Amino acid sequence: QKEVEQDPGPLSVPEGAIVSLNCTYSNSAFQYFMWYRQYSRKGPELLMYTYSSGNKEDGRFTAQVDKSSKYISLFIRDSQPSDSATYLCAMSAVGKTSYDKVIFGPGTSLSVIP
Amino acid sequence: DGGITQSPKYLFRKEGQNVTLSCEQNLNHDAMYWYRQDPGQGLRLIYYSQIVNDFQKGDIAEGYSVSREKKESFPLTVTSAQKNPTAFYLCASSLGTVPNQPQHFGDGTRLSIL
Repeated sequence: QKEVEQDPGPLSVPEGAIVSLNCTYSNSAFQYFMWYRQYSRKGPELLMYTYSSGNKEDGRFTAQVDKSSKYISLFIRDSQPSDSATYLCAMSAVGKTSYDKVIFGPGTSLSVIP
Repeated sequence: DGGITQSPKYLFRKEGQNVTLSCEQNLNHDAMYWYRQDPGQGLRLIYYSQIVNDFQKGDIAEGYSVSREKKESFPLTVTSAQKNPTAFYLCASSLGTVPNQPQHFGDGTRLSIL
């Protein structure tokens, strides 16, 4: 089983729809959870960063972490064509060493159709 | 504006040739990273550096080498020993390597074989 799993899509939605993007993970030590947006031929851009369980909202974006289910979600409200990109989830643990690497999901490709 | 600059955007390698990818940051970040991105896979860590003149192997370091002589710069050399170098290479940096310091990425270099 991979440490982080993410449905690759592609996911296609009409403009204005609510989008739900999800990742599951297997390592219960993960405490920090991130969502990145990556446009074609560009580097990932940090969208949301959360610690432990709960919700975090930033504009049209809401990140949700359910550690009991090892499941994280990113919701996009009122989706726009400019949201069309690949969304990567990422997570890391708080370990005993000075560096715990970040594990990335493979990404979900999203298209928002005008 | 602060950021991470990767160059060149596109690079072609001939058989038996070493090539070097440049990564410069002006964010005053201590930690820098190199990742490889292949279709359908999460980002894979090649090397990382927590401070100047120190670096550590990641998960797929074979066939790659790095140096960290300046805080701002972390070049990656893809050697002829790397038999499958075609990929999108991403450089990242963070204020530190503790988990609560998220990574920020450059816009990548796409390496192809001639």
